[in-house]
Amino acid sequence: QKEVEQNSGPLSVPEGAIASLNCTYSDRGSQSFFWYRQYSGKSPELIMFIYSNGDKEDGRFTAQLNKASQYVSLLIRDSQPSDSATYLCAVNDYGQNFVFGPGTRLSVLP
Amino acid sequence: KAGVTQTPRYLIKTRGQQVTLSCSPISGHRSVSWYQQTPGQGLQFLFEYFSETQRNKGNFPGRFSGRQFSNSRSEMNVSTLELGDSALYLCASSPLEGSHSPLHFGNGTRLTVT
Repeated sequence: QKEVEQNSGPLSVPEGAIASLNCTYSDRGSQSFFWYRQYSGKSPELIMFIYSNGDKEDGRFTAQLNKASQYVSLLIRDSQPSDSATYLCAVNDYGQNFVFGPGTRLSVLP
Repeated sequence: KAGVTQTPRYLIKTRGQQVTLSCSPISGHRSVSWYQQTPGQGLQFLFEYFSETQRNKGNFPGRFSGRQFSNSRSEMNVSTLELGDSALYLCASSPLEGSHSPLHFGNGTRLTVT
Protein backbone atom coordinates (compact mmCIF):
# COMPACT_ATOMS: atom_id res chain seq x y z
CA GLN A 1 0.00 0.00 0.00
CA LYS A 2 1.59 3.23 -1.14
CA GLU A 3 1.35 5.90 1.53
CA VAL A 4 2.00 9.59 1.72
CA GLU A 5 2.15 11.15 5.16
CA GLN A 6 1.84 14.74 6.25
CA ASN A 7 1.43 16.42 9.58
CA SER A 8 -2.24 17.43 9.64
CA GLY A 9 -1.55 20.61 11.58
CA PRO A 10 -2.75 23.20 11.99
CA LEU A 11 0.60 24.83 11.45
CA SER A 12 0.46 28.43 12.58
CA VAL A 13 3.06 30.97 11.53
CA PRO A 14 3.12 34.76 11.84
CA GLU A 15 2.82 36.91 8.76
CA GLY A 16 6.20 37.36 7.07
CA ALA A 17 7.69 34.19 8.51
CA ILE A 18 8.77 31.04 6.65
CA ALA A 19 6.28 28.19 6.67
CA SER A 20 7.77 24.72 6.33
CA LEU A 21 5.52 21.86 5.22
CA ASN A 22 6.77 18.30 5.20
CA CYS A 23 5.79 15.09 3.44
CA THR A 24 7.13 11.54 3.49
CA TYR A 25 6.26 8.74 1.10
CA SER A 26 6.59 4.99 1.23
CA ASP A 27 7.14 3.97 -2.41
CA ARG A 28 10.77 4.19 -3.49
CA GLY A 29 9.59 3.94 -7.11
CA SER A 30 7.96 7.35 -6.90
CA GLN A 31 9.13 9.61 -9.68
CA SER A 32 7.42 12.95 -9.37
CA PHE A 33 6.19 15.03 -6.50
CA PHE A 34 3.58 17.74 -6.39
CA TRP A 35 2.30 20.33 -3.99
CA TYR A 36 -1.28 21.52 -4.19
CA ARG A 37 -3.02 24.23 -2.24
CA GLN A 38 -6.67 23.88 -1.35
CA TYR A 39 -8.76 26.65 0.12
CA SER A 40 -11.78 25.67 2.15
CA GLY A 41 -14.63 24.64 -0.14
CA LYS A 42 -12.47 24.88 -3.26
CA SER A 43 -10.63 22.38 -5.41
CA PRO A 44 -6.87 21.76 -5.21
CA GLU A 45 -4.67 24.03 -7.29
CA LEU A 46 -1.15 23.17 -8.32
CA ILE A 47 1.61 25.17 -6.67
CA MET A 48 4.66 23.39 -8.00
CA PHE A 49 6.25 20.05 -8.77
CA ILE A 50 9.71 18.56 -8.49
CA TYR A 51 11.36 15.51 -10.03
CA SER A 52 15.02 15.72 -9.13
CA ASN A 53 16.80 15.72 -5.81
CA GLY A 54 17.54 19.15 -4.46
CA ASP A 55 15.69 22.43 -4.39
CA LYS A 56 13.37 24.06 -6.88
CA GLU A 57 12.29 27.66 -6.40
CA ASP A 58 9.26 29.45 -7.80
CA GLY A 59 8.67 32.91 -6.38
CA ARG A 60 8.05 32.64 -2.64
CA PHE A 61 7.83 28.84 -2.85
CA THR A 62 10.68 26.34 -2.66
CA ALA A 63 10.23 22.60 -3.00
CA GLN A 64 12.91 20.32 -1.62
CA LEU A 65 13.28 16.66 -2.54
CA ASN A 66 15.42 13.97 -0.94
CA LYS A 67 14.71 10.62 -2.58
CA ALA A 68 17.13 8.73 -0.35
CA SER A 69 15.17 9.83 2.70
CA GLN A 70 11.83 9.65 0.84
CA TYR A 71 11.08 13.16 1.91
CA VAL A 72 9.74 16.22 0.16
CA SER A 73 9.05 19.61 1.65
CA LEU A 74 7.58 22.97 0.70
CA LEU A 75 8.89 26.24 2.08
CA ILE A 76 6.80 29.38 1.83
CA ARG A 77 8.80 32.54 2.39
CA ASP A 78 7.25 35.81 3.55
CA SER A 79 4.02 34.01 4.43
CA GLN A 80 0.82 35.99 3.90
CA PRO A 81 -2.65 35.51 5.41
CA SER A 82 -3.79 34.58 1.89
CA ASP A 83 -1.50 31.53 2.12
CA SER A 84 -3.78 30.11 4.81
CA ALA A 85 -5.07 26.89 3.28
CA THR A 86 -4.58 23.14 3.30
CA TYR A 87 -1.48 21.98 1.45
CA LEU A 88 -1.60 18.58 -0.20
CA CYS A 89 1.46 16.57 -1.10
CA ALA A 90 1.03 14.16 -4.03
CA VAL A 91 3.35 11.49 -5.34
CA ASN A 92 3.31 9.85 -8.77
CA ASP A 93 5.05 6.70 -9.93
CA TYR A 94 5.10 7.77 -13.60
CA GLY A 95 2.01 5.71 -14.27
CA GLN A 96 -0.47 8.43 -13.44
CA ASN A 97 -0.96 6.69 -10.10
CA PHE A 98 -1.16 9.73 -7.91
CA VAL A 99 -1.28 9.20 -4.18
CA PHE A 100 -2.22 12.17 -2.04
CA GLY A 101 -1.34 12.86 1.54
CA PRO A 102 -4.02 13.95 4.02
CA GLY A 103 -2.88 17.57 3.82
CA THR A 104 -1.44 20.06 6.28
CA ARG A 105 -3.59 22.98 7.35
CA LEU A 106 -1.58 26.20 7.40
CA SER A 107 -2.72 29.30 9.25
CA VAL A 108 -0.81 32.54 8.72
CA LEU A 109 -1.56 34.98 11.49
CA PRO A 110 -1.64 38.73 10.70
CA LYS B 1 -7.42 27.82 -22.37
CA ALA B 2 -10.50 26.77 -20.45
CA GLY B 3 -9.94 24.71 -17.33
CA VAL B 4 -11.51 21.44 -16.29
CA THR B 5 -15.28 21.80 -16.17
CA GLN B 6 -17.44 19.71 -13.92
CA THR B 7 -21.21 19.64 -13.86
CA PRO B 8 -23.30 19.95 -11.88
CA ARG B 9 -21.65 21.88 -9.04
CA TYR B 10 -24.10 20.69 -6.42
CA LEU B 11 -26.39 17.69 -6.16
CA ILE B 12 -28.79 16.50 -3.50
CA LYS B 13 -30.00 12.92 -3.80
CA THR B 14 -31.72 10.41 -1.55
CA ARG B 15 -30.47 7.00 -0.58
CA GLY B 16 -30.97 4.36 -3.23
CA GLN B 17 -30.96 6.77 -6.13
CA GLN B 18 -28.24 6.95 -8.73
CA VAL B 19 -26.28 9.93 -9.98
CA THR B 20 -24.15 10.82 -12.99
CA LEU B 21 -21.42 13.43 -12.85
CA SER B 22 -19.79 14.97 -15.87
CA CYS B 23 -16.29 16.24 -16.56
CA SER B 24 -14.81 18.05 -19.55
CA PRO B 25 -11.02 18.08 -19.44
CA ILE B 26 -8.71 20.83 -20.59
CA SER B 27 -8.51 20.84 -24.37
CA GLY B 28 -5.80 18.43 -25.50
CA HIS B 29 -5.75 16.50 -22.23
CA ARG B 30 -6.45 12.82 -22.77
CA SER B 31 -6.17 11.50 -19.23
CA VAL B 32 -9.06 12.03 -16.84
CA SER B 33 -9.04 10.94 -13.21
CA TRP B 34 -11.76 11.01 -10.59
CA TYR B 35 -11.30 11.49 -6.86
CA GLN B 36 -13.58 11.48 -3.87
CA GLN B 37 -12.79 13.90 -1.08
CA THR B 38 -14.28 13.70 2.40
CA PRO B 39 -13.12 15.37 5.62
CA GLY B 40 -12.22 12.06 7.20
CA GLN B 41 -10.59 10.26 4.28
CA GLY B 42 -8.98 13.01 2.28
CA LEU B 43 -8.54 12.59 -1.46
CA GLN B 44 -9.28 9.04 -2.52
CA PHE B 45 -8.59 7.84 -6.06
CA LEU B 46 -11.59 6.41 -7.90
CA PHE B 47 -10.40 5.70 -11.43
CA GLU B 48 -8.40 7.02 -14.34
CA TYR B 49 -9.20 6.95 -18.04
CA PHE B 50 -6.99 7.44 -21.03
CA SER B 51 -8.19 7.22 -24.62
CA GLU B 52 -11.55 5.79 -23.53
CA THR B 53 -9.89 2.99 -21.52
CA GLN B 54 -9.93 2.64 -17.78
CA ARG B 55 -6.28 2.25 -16.85
CA ASN B 56 -6.45 2.33 -13.07
CA LYS B 57 -9.13 1.81 -10.48
CA GLY B 58 -9.14 2.64 -6.81
CA ASN B 59 -10.57 0.62 -3.98
CA PHE B 60 -14.22 1.52 -4.34
CA PRO B 61 -17.24 -0.78 -4.70
CA GLY B 62 -18.71 -1.61 -8.07
CA ARG B 63 -21.47 0.94 -7.49
CA PHE B 64 -18.93 3.48 -8.69
CA SER B 65 -18.30 3.37 -12.40
CA GLY B 66 -17.14 5.67 -15.12
CA ARG B 67 -16.46 6.04 -18.77
CA GLN B 68 -14.64 8.29 -21.18
CA PHE B 69 -15.82 9.37 -24.58
CA SER B 70 -13.83 9.86 -27.77
CA ASN B 71 -13.64 13.61 -27.12
CA SER B 72 -12.01 12.83 -23.72
CA ARG B 73 -15.05 13.98 -21.77
CA SER B 74 -15.79 11.66 -18.89
CA GLU B 75 -18.74 10.68 -16.77
CA MET B 76 -18.89 9.04 -13.39
CA ASN B 77 -21.91 7.14 -12.14
CA VAL B 78 -22.80 6.09 -8.63
CA SER B 79 -25.71 3.71 -8.23
CA THR B 80 -27.71 2.82 -5.13
CA LEU B 81 -26.48 5.85 -3.25
CA GLU B 82 -25.57 5.55 0.41
CA LEU B 83 -25.24 8.29 3.03
CA GLY B 84 -21.48 7.72 3.06
CA ASP B 85 -21.27 8.72 -0.59
CA SER B 86 -21.76 12.34 0.41
CA ALA B 87 -18.53 14.00 -0.66
CA LEU B 88 -16.82 16.37 -3.03
CA TYR B 89 -16.12 14.57 -6.29
CA LEU B 90 -13.19 15.96 -8.17
CA CYS B 91 -12.22 15.39 -11.75
CA ALA B 92 -8.68 16.07 -12.90
CA SER B 93 -7.07 15.98 -16.30
CA SER B 94 -3.52 15.75 -17.56
CA PRO B 95 -2.12 15.75 -21.07
CA LEU B 96 0.01 12.67 -21.49
CA GLU B 97 0.10 9.04 -20.58
CA GLY B 98 2.93 7.94 -18.33
CA SER B 99 4.36 11.38 -17.93
CA HIS B 100 5.32 13.61 -15.08
CA SER B 101 2.43 15.89 -15.94
CA PRO B 102 0.55 17.24 -12.95
CA LEU B 103 -3.16 16.88 -12.47
CA HIS B 104 -5.37 19.88 -13.10
CA PHE B 105 -8.54 19.79 -11.05
CA GLY B 106 -12.02 21.00 -11.82
CA ASN B 107 -14.16 22.83 -9.28
CA GLY B 108 -15.80 19.61 -8.20
CA THR B 109 -19.32 18.36 -7.69
CA ARG B 110 -20.55 18.41 -4.13
CA LEU B 111 -22.92 15.49 -3.64
CA THR B 112 -25.17 15.29 -0.62
CA VAL B 113 -27.08 12.08 0.00
CA THR B 114 -30.00 12.30 2.41
